[in-house]
Amino acid sequence: QVQLVQSGAEVKKPGASVKVSCKASGYTFTGYYVHWVRQAPGQGLEWMGRINPNSGGTNYAQKFQGRVTMTRDTSITTAYMELSSLRSDDTAVYYCARSPIAAAEHLDYWGQGTLVTVSS
Amino acid sequence: SYVLTQPPSVSVAPGKTARITCGGNKIGSKSVHWYQQKPGQAPVLVIYYDSDRPSGIPERFSGSNSGNTATLTISRVEAGDEADYYCQVWDSSSDHLYVFGTGTKVTVL
Repeated sequence: QVQLVQSGAEVKKPGASVKVSCKASGYTFTGYYVHWVRQAPGQGLEWMGRINPNSGGTNYAQKFQGRVTMTRDTSITTAYMELSSLRSDDTAVYYCARSPIAAAEHLDYWGQGTLVTVSS
Repeated sequence: SYVLTQPPSVSVAPGKTARITCGGNKIGSKSVHWYQQKPGQAPVLVIYYDSDRPSGIPERFSGSNSGNTATLTISRVEAGDEADYYCQVWDSSSDHLYVFGTGTKVTVL
């Protein structure tokens, strides 16, 4: 069965960086984009960007350009999202999700989420 | 940037029908996808391409899309349907390629 398993919760200080992992299993890793979506406490869903695990190509929301880096390691079917220069308003649950590369409009499976807390 | 507007809350009695709207400029020309999110859990896709249901999603969930409004309909509502629901579209002209609606809290009375 399809699974996206994320790394555990993180607590970071303002100005630091965080790197969250997303281990994929149960499907062909290179056939699906991996997306990152975040949700601040009590707020809605916000798309951050996606990576094509086959090519390594990325698309980032302009809001996060320059602060976010998405990478992948196909040998261990794992995607990563690194966010730098953290601020308090980056406190959120970060989800990875996948979409078929051939029909990329919807996100059909999601990871369990990783809480990132930014606090001094 | 494309904006999707949903009512903050919808209340419905068990066994009745809940309708959740998602408004956007000419949204009928786009494909709309819907997600259910229960407290403390990740979102789950319940409708894609306006009206298709993933395997495992009950037939009680249906969708439609026309003009400036898309609608998620939940028939014969059950207590377990209480959750937040988000619509989503893909918009190549938006800064965020994947645009989510503001979310609707469905409360089962």
